[in-house]
Amino acid sequence: GAGVSQSPRYKVAKRGQDVALRCDPISGHVSLFWYQQALGQGPEFLTYFQNEAQLDKSGLPSDRFFAERPEGSVSTLKIQRTQQEDSAVYLCASSLVGLSDGANVLTFGAGSRLTVL
Amino acid sequence: DAKTTQPNSMESNEEEPVHLPCNHSTISGTDYIHWYRQLPSQGPEYVIHGLTSNVNNRMASLAIAEDRKSSTLILHRATLRDAAVYYCILRAYSGNTPLVFGKGTRLSVIA
Repeated sequence: GAGVSQSPRYKVAKRGQDVALRCDPISGHVSLFWYQQALGQGPEFLTYFQNEAQLDKSGLPSDRFFAERPEGSVSTLKIQRTQQEDSAVYLCASSLVGLSDGANVLTFGAGSRLTVL
Repeated sequence: DAKTTQPNSMESNEEEPVHLPCNHSTISGTDYIHWYRQLPSQGPEYVIHGLTSNVNNRMASLAIAEDRKSSTLILHRATLRDAAVYYCILRAYSGNTPLVFGKGTRLSVIA
């Protein structure tokens, strides 16, 4: 497709369950980003990939959060032993060039809304 | 990245121009000014960016103050579809840092 695709759009998990959120970036885009957006707040950076390399994971809130992009295309964000505070919209974005270009423009997906009960 | 300040909310009438302000008094000489917007239930969407000169594209115009300490996003004719949260973000020219979003300005458009 022409845009960034995320699945599932909605996920409800019981506290303690593991979840996996998928991101299909725009074909050929080098950079991929994950953001977390709590209700009423702006998106907060989680992690960044350039091709298959995870170059920045400084925003991951705990070691329960893990992201991968093994072939430099599709990415998965995994959250282990989910907690209620993990409830948020998880946004994926991709861009054609690397992060070092300040004019770099991101294309975002619609997000995956996670609700932890 | 340097901090930006935006009003929490603004209101506009449909088919009138909208000027969304952003203050960035600590901007450095090599920071780009980016604007994104987020429609309800969607991810952020790129609007426009600039460095020093004013910029125009099909979506909006970006007016940058001569001292670069502030900028204004201009929607020439607001439509109901423009109701969104608008984020003003500074990006270092080669800072290797991701986009850092603030809370943005929530724009309401009245029919």
